[in-house]
Amino acid sequence: GDSVTQMEGPVTLSEEAFLTINCTYTATGYPSLFWYVQYPGEGLQLLLKATKADDKGSNKGFEATYRKETTSFHLEKGSVQVSDSAVYFCALAHNTDKLIFGTGTRLQVFP
Amino acid sequence: GAVVSQHPSRVICKSGTSVKIECRSLDFQATTMFWYRQFPKQSLMLMATSNEGSKATYEQGVEKDKFLINHASLTLSTLTVTSAHPEDSSFYICSARDRLQGKNEQYFGPGTRLTVT
Repeated sequence: GDSVTQMEGPVTLSEEAFLTINCTYTATGYPSLFWYVQYPGEGLQLLLKATKADDKGSNKGFEATYRKETTSFHLEKGSVQVSDSAVYFCALAHNTDKLIFGTGTRLQVFP
Repeated sequence: GAVVSQHPSRVICKSGTSVKIECRSLDFQATTMFWYRQFPKQSLMLMATSNEGSKATYEQGVEKDKFLINHASLTLSTLTVTSAHPEDSSFYICSARDRLQGKNEQYFGPGTRLTVT
């Protein structure tokens, strides 16, 4: 079945460092891909998404490119801030509503 | 906008009792709500899909008689864990889809931590 694999955390960075959180997927067909973020005490929020190969999703300085050849959707940010500290979830979905999530990666950014 | 609340945020109950968790869409109408379960250091697992006015659709392996879902209005869905046991202890998260938005846009609640003693 479909699945999502993302790197284990926590990822610990200093402010202004470059961030990469790896995400790969296994799926039939051409799913849509998502990154969700969960700040402490809050629900998951959609960060960005891409619906087809080579699409780049971007939001709040974060980017991820849908790479079908490597079945990947890595999350990147050029300069992280303390306020980016959160748990990040990679997910996929086909044309239905069913989201399949990775295990989440905790990011900790220190000043 | 697009806020989803859950109540309670934490609950502790004794083994054998039942617990009800509420999921509300505060500023939009949700024809579809989803219930997820999250174990420590694991991904969110979809338990069931709840459509307003109809029976919920449960994922394979989820006991429908144990996890009762009711979606009686466009802003409220409830999950009742019946005859709870310690293995039901988990983090339960709901999400809701705005009927006026496109598909695949789900808004998540903050989750409910259930501990069964």
